Amino acid sequence: GAGVSQSPRYKVAKRGQDVALRCDPISGHVSLFWYQQALGQGPEFLTYFQNEAQLDKSGLPSDRFFAERPEGSVSTLKIQRTQQEDSAVYLCASSLGGTGRLGYTFGSGTRLTVV
Amino acid sequence: AQTVTQSQPEMSVQEAETVTLSCTYDTSENNYYLFWYKQPPSRQMILVIRQEAYKQQNATENRFSVNFQKAAKSFSLKISDSQLGDTAMYFCAFMLRGYNNNDMRFGAGTRLTVKP
Repeated sequence: GAGVSQSPRYKVAKRGQDVALRCDPISGHVSLFWYQQALGQGPEFLTYFQNEAQLDKSGLPSDRFFAERPEGSVSTLKIQRTQQEDSAVYLCASSLGGTGRLGYTFGSGTRLTVV
Repeated sequence: AQTVTQSQPEMSVQEAETVTLSCTYDTSENNYYLFWYKQPPSRQMILVIRQEAYKQQNATENRFSVNFQKAAKSFSLKISDSQLGDTAMYFCAFMLRGYNNNDMRFGAGTRLTVKP
């Protein structure tokens, strides 16, 4: 596609509910990143894929967070048993190569609100 | 660990005037990239300008330019002839240079308002 597409744009979840957030990167982009952006803060790194391989998941805040990219294109970020502190905007980004030296292309994010 | 600091939570400027947003960073490494991203209410992070640390020349993109002071670890963004569409959050970001490096660190952002 022309840009990075994320869905849903907004998600309201009851505490304890599982959610799945989708990211469709730019076609042909090798690298895919997930970031979490709390209100009034800058994005914080969650995880990184190169093709289907998850090379870095050091930013995932707990084992309730899980990400996958099984075919090296679309990625899903899953949050199990959501908590209020999970409320944030989740941003997905992609880049063409294995380095981000040209910068990333970001999607518009999913705003998750846990009530 | 690398950190990025934006000391101005909010700034405002009159349309057509010039404004400078500050950013400092902390690293012991020598090879890295610096970026400024714009985030309008649509939430999409849009790359404004980038700088490679080994280049001494300051990057320029139309009305946007940077003042990169490597020794001082400073990377400010200057917006000339400000336009109403420049109203947004602006984030400074840092990333080490290297294949497979993926850890882009962001500052907390500066909210810029351009007033008519």
